[in-house]
Formats: sequence, C-alpha cells, structure tokens
Amino acid sequence: SQQGEEDPQALSIQEGENATMNCSYKTSINNLQWYRQNSGRGLVHLILIRSNEREKHSGRLRVTLDTSKKSSSLLITASRAADTASYFCATGAMDSSYKLIFGSGTRLLVRP
Amino acid sequence: NAGVTQTPKFQVLKTGQSMTLQCAQDMNHEYMSWYRQDPGMGLRLIHYSVGAGITDQGEVPNGYNVSRSTTEDFPLRLLSAAPSQTSVYFCASSYRGTGGQLELFFGEGSRLTVL
Repeated sequence: SQQGEEDPQALSIQEGENATMNCSYKTSINNLQWYRQNSGRGLVHLILIRSNEREKHSGRLRVTLDTSKKSSSLLITASRAADTASYFCATGAMDSSYKLIFGSGTRLLVRP
Repeated sequence: NAGVTQTPKFQVLKTGQSMTLQCAQDMNHEYMSWYRQDPGMGLRLIHYSVGAGITDQGEVPNGYNVSRSTTEDFPLRLLSAAPSQTSVYFCASSYRGTGGQLELFFGEGSRLTVL
C-alpha cells in the first residue's frame, strides 16, 4: 500500500504565484524526499528532509516536516511555467531505509 | 555522463511471453531498484539490490525476477507476461548518504504493453 498520499491531486496556478502541496504518511520515517517528474520522463530528486529536521530550503523550494502529524509540505515560490510537472513525496521508513515508498503525486500546472 | 540507462524504451508483448528490461548505471552506486508506475497510483517498488549478489523484494514482486551480477547492471525479468503488468517501469540507483538515506537517480523509463 502507498505510504505517502499527496494533496491536492491536481493544482493549477498562474505564473508568479506560490504552489503548496502536502504529503501525509503512515509509519515512522527516517527521512522524507520530494521528486519532480516532467511528462514522459524519469523522476528527479529535489530535496530531502531528515526526521529530526523541521524545515529545509533549496532555492525556490521550501519543505516542512511535522512528524507528530506525519505530514510534510512542499512550497514552490514565484512559480514558473517550467515548474509544470508532477511532484511526488517519498518516505524512507525507520526500519527499512532501503525501501523508498512513493505517494501518488500532485500534478501542478503553471499557466503563463 | 550517462547516469541510469534503460532499454528498451517501448515494448509490446503477448500474454505469456517473457522478456528482460535492462538497466545500467555508470555512477558506481551500490543500490539499485525497479519501480512500476501506473496511472493514479504513483510508483510501487518491485525489487531492489544493495550490492552485487544481493537482491530483495519490494511491495509488488510477484511475476518479476531480478539478479545483480555486477555493480553496473540490474535487469528485470518478466517470466510470463500478463495484461496486469502493462505499466511504465523505472530503474533507479543511489549512493548511500551520510545518514544512511537514499537519493534516487532515475532512468527515463520503459513503457511496456501486454496484450
């Protein structure tokens, strides 16, 4: 079964706006990661946050992690048309970090 | 820098046929894995390997076989293809981070249709 579930399933925004997507998971984790997938392509790693971290930044990306609520959010600021893609969270379980389990993804459309 | 290379990119099989999806990486990563991606279901882990000669099952291993004879290659075998195995297959590799975590590098995918 899926470990992570993203919300919303789809998001449409105007260029320049911020995009926020959320991920909830079920079991204790070692780390949580976000990946991007452009249409018809493989996934690309964006950012990793460890279970003892609460917030992390990378360029226009901001990730938060709340282990008490078993949830994470990805914020993309000042979005661009090139950010149009699907975004997936993936969790590394505490008892088996060799199994990186993905959620079902959020499809983001950034309108020019 | 090739990264993770998957072949073939597209394949059509008939039910009952067997085939092998090839995956090679040139980053000297110990960890390699196979996922399948189906609409609305994200990616599901099929098998993974933490080094040459070592493989283990993921979430959905039935109907698939793997082996790891070298660090570079991790082929995925479909023993007797079924329509339920119609999917996009992704191979991914990773080094082991300082905290023990994986950060996956993905191939471009192999789209398989079973008739």
